[in-house]
Amino acid sequence: GAGVSQSPSNKVTEKGKDVELRCDPISGHTALYWYRQSLGQGLEFLIYFQGNSAPDKSGLPSDRFSAERTGGSVSTLTIQRTQQEDSAVYLCASSSNPSGSPLHFGNGTRLTVT
Amino acid sequence: GENVEQHPSTLSVQEGDSAVIKCTYSDSASNYFPWYKQELGKGPQLIIDIRSNVGEKKDQRIAVTLNKTAKHFSLHITETQPEDSAVYFCAASGAGTSYGKLTFGQGTILTVHP
Repeated sequence: GAGVSQSPSNKVTEKGKDVELRCDPISGHTALYWYRQSLGQGLEFLIYFQGNSAPDKSGLPSDRFSAERTGGSVSTLTIQRTQQEDSAVYLCASSSNPSGSPLHFGNGTRLTVT
Repeated sequence: GENVEQHPSTLSVQEGDSAVIKCTYSDSASNYFPWYKQELGKGPQLIIDIRSNVGEKKDQRIAVTLNKTAKHFSLHITETQPEDSAVYFCAASGAGTSYGKLTFGQGTILTVHP
């Protein structure tokens, strides 16, 4: 079946601009996660949504980062006033059961801030 | 918080040889340990996982072992093939949190020479 879909696959933006990254999880998956992959920091957890519960935002690096999940499905990660250190691959993942099921990752959005 | 160390950072083997990647973790409460394979331009893909109530798990040419006392776990790939060449990540997540809220190791670049 269809996997996790992310768009755009690549995004180049100027420093100071806002960007929105989109994630379509696997249909029926209630849990959705955002991770960031950068050369210096590896794979880092950012935020986690589970059903209608309040999201776990403990991994967001600053208040310039935010995310929402509408209707329990699609999620958008927003980065305001982008900085060069925000350049990374942003990965979305979903799972059917956060208590026991593995993550399925999308192919990511490569963000470059110039 | 959890810290996961992964070794080696690069590993080069001949086709048909075995490959072993090792990880240590710091939080004794961690109870879920997946391994992911990432190919260029793609998101990480789960290849095998183990829970803390199990000491070893095998799936064809891939096996994972867990030593809870020493807080380390290892990935073993036998009869390696060129298509096994990729970056491999270990990860851990702890009790009382989602299985998808993972702390990753820094990755191992595996190269299998024909």
